[in-house]
Amino acid sequence: EDQVTQSPEALRLQEGESSSLNCSYTVSGLRGLFWYRQDPGKGPEFLFTLYSAGEEKEKERLKATLTKKESFLHITAPKPEDSATYLCAVNYGGSQGNLIFGKGTKLSVKP
Amino acid sequence: DTEVTQTPKHLVMGMTNKKSLKCEQHMGHRAMYWYKQKAKKPPELMFVYSYEKLSINESVPSRFSPECPNSSLLNLHLHALQPEDSALYLCASSLRQTSGNTIYFGEGSWLTVV
Repeated sequence: EDQVTQSPEALRLQEGESSSLNCSYTVSGLRGLFWYRQDPGKGPEFLFTLYSAGEEKEKERLKATLTKKESFLHITAPKPEDSATYLCAVNYGGSQGNLIFGKGTKLSVKP
Repeated sequence: DTEVTQTPKHLVMGMTNKKSLKCEQHMGHRAMYWYKQKAKKPPELMFVYSYEKLSINESVPSRFSPECPNSSLLNLHLHALQPEDSALYLCASSLRQTSGNTIYFGEGSWLTVV
């Protein structure tokens, strides 16, 4: 059973059409939930770290939130340059610092 | 400045070649990682170094040999690779190898084995 599940697998938006990506997790003893953006052929770019339920972080058009079972990445008025794969990852007390990744959401924003 | 630098960006090698991937960070991080990523898959952990000592080896074949010469450098030595080893190899670092620390990735080295 996957410990981190991201949905949807792919999302197509029109420029300016706001939406949310979901990341649900089943690990216990969460120590951190991480969002990354990955462009084709490049390494993951760090976006946010969330530590506890109720926490929120923002950066430009992106806002990440965390509950006890899931995290949302809200994208407000997206632009074509926001097109990328967004990866969610967690680590927990037993993971020795390792990241448990979801399979990612591929976002395409059309002008 | 959160930067992990990897060289080379692209590498093509034959199955009998010996080559190395290099990684450098100057953030004072004491944990460094090698990940492997295949197309349309998330990164998979290969090795972790903590304070320049190998901490985790995820049952990686011996044709991959990591080395951590000092706290800023990480190498991955490659020998007798197979075509299925072709992938994006990612170096990463974090302040400590402790859950909750943010892991920062480099741009990756694209490896093609012919």
